[in-house]
Amino acid sequence: TQLLEQSPQFLSIQEGENLTVYCNSSSVFSSLQWYRQEPGEGPVLLVTVVTGGEVKKLKRLTFQFGDARKDSSLHITAAQPGDTGLYLCAGPTSGTYKYIFGTGTRLKVLA
Amino acid sequence: DAEITQSPRHKITETGRQVTLACHQTWNHNNMFWYRQDLGHGLRLIHYSYGVQDTNKGEVSDGYSVSRSNTEDLPLTLESAASSQTSVYFCASSERVLAGGWDTQYFGPGTRLTVL
Repeated sequence: TQLLEQSPQFLSIQEGENLTVYCNSSSVFSSLQWYRQEPGEGPVLLVTVVTGGEVKKLKRLTFQFGDARKDSSLHITAAQPGDTGLYLCAGPTSGTYKYIFGTGTRLKVLA
Repeated sequence: DAEITQSPRHKITETGRQVTLACHQTWNHNNMFWYRQDLGHGLRLIHYSYGVQDTNKGEVSDGYSVSRSNTEDLPLTLESAASSQTSVYFCASSERVLAGGWDTQYFGPGTRLTVL
């Protein structure tokens, strides 16, 4: 069974600080995705990484896919209150169009 | 603009009652999914459909059913609501891509269901 574990579960930081969120598995994934979910809304896709070692940047957010394609990280530089939300990683299950989701990291950035 | 909507947004019901949650998408996507979200569990897949007349069970399907009579709608029915089904329910849709590829799931705003 493929599982995705995220750490930390909760993170509360001050505006301007940097942070890294991790998504780990013992299984190999063909790709991994990161979603952000704000209160009262559904998750929204931020990025998909598809190649081992790949790094993608989205403004102050940097996403990396592990070389072995078993893990991914999300680094936020100079966090802002607008970054507050639940961050979810997701990966496709082998041979299907279904995705499994990690348990999420709930981030709160204090002004 | 294409969108995915869910109704109702909030629902309170009693144990044993049948409840149906609606999901409607205008993306014209083949794939549709129902998830439940609970603290500490992330999103767990209840049922999914790859097209009209196709339905499949996910990891937490007991007590739930779906039907797909057209491309746009995938209603989720709780046959006999239980307190353990109190949760936030999300519907999502995605375009089918080649096997081994990836796609974007578009989520609805969610339905908060409370079973008393």
